[in-house]
Amino acid sequence: EDQVTQSPEALRLQEGESSSLNCSYTVSGLRGLFWYRQDPGKGPEFLFTLYSAGEEKEKERLKATLTKKESFLHITAPKPEDSATYLCAVQAPGKLIFGQGTTLQVKP
Amino acid sequence: DAGVIQSPRHEVTEMGQEVTLRCKPISGHNSLFWYRQTMMRGLELLIYFNNNVPIDDSGMPEDRFSAKMPNASFSTLKIQPSEPRDSAVYFCASSPLYQETQYFGPGTRLLVL
Repeated sequence: EDQVTQSPEALRLQEGESSSLNCSYTVSGLRGLFWYRQDPGKGPEFLFTLYSAGEEKEKERLKATLTKKESFLHITAPKPEDSATYLCAVQAPGKLIFGQGTTLQVKP
Repeated sequence: DAGVIQSPRHEVTEMGQEVTLRCKPISGHNSLFWYRQTMMRGLELLIYFNNNVPIDDSGMPEDRFSAKMPNASFSTLKIQPSEPRDSAVYFCASSPLYQETQYFGPGTRLLVL
């Protein structure tokens, strides 16, 4: 069964304290792995798509990496405005399967 | 680019009433998805359409739920009759083609009393 597990469920960081979020997946034939950011009261906002092991993508303080079994979202020197829930999803035939998300809080 | 548009943004109704949620996808996108988000179950796919045709409705919880896409720029999700356990945030998303990046709307927050 296709499955996505994210850890930790919640993460508190001080501003400038770098860390990583984990997304472990089980899917028959990965067609793509997606990272989204969701702010309270809003819809998920697309961040990255990764297609093959070894691929990396960056956007400002965020960098996503992919292996054959998991993906990491690295946050370098985070700022309070990076506080949000980060969702990981894998592309199964015709649909995305989402993890439960990691809620990140960055304190000034 | 207006993005995905959903209405209403908030809906409060009483158990047993009919609820209709509306979605306008991004112009030119050929795939449309309806999701439900709750604290307990996270984000779940209910149904998706390709070129206005329903492809997979296996996520629709019960016969009380129905979805239509009469044309490329409009879709509805209807719940009849509504129940308190239907309370959730309902998202619509669209993508240019099948299996490409999905772009989400702001959601409709539904509360059934």
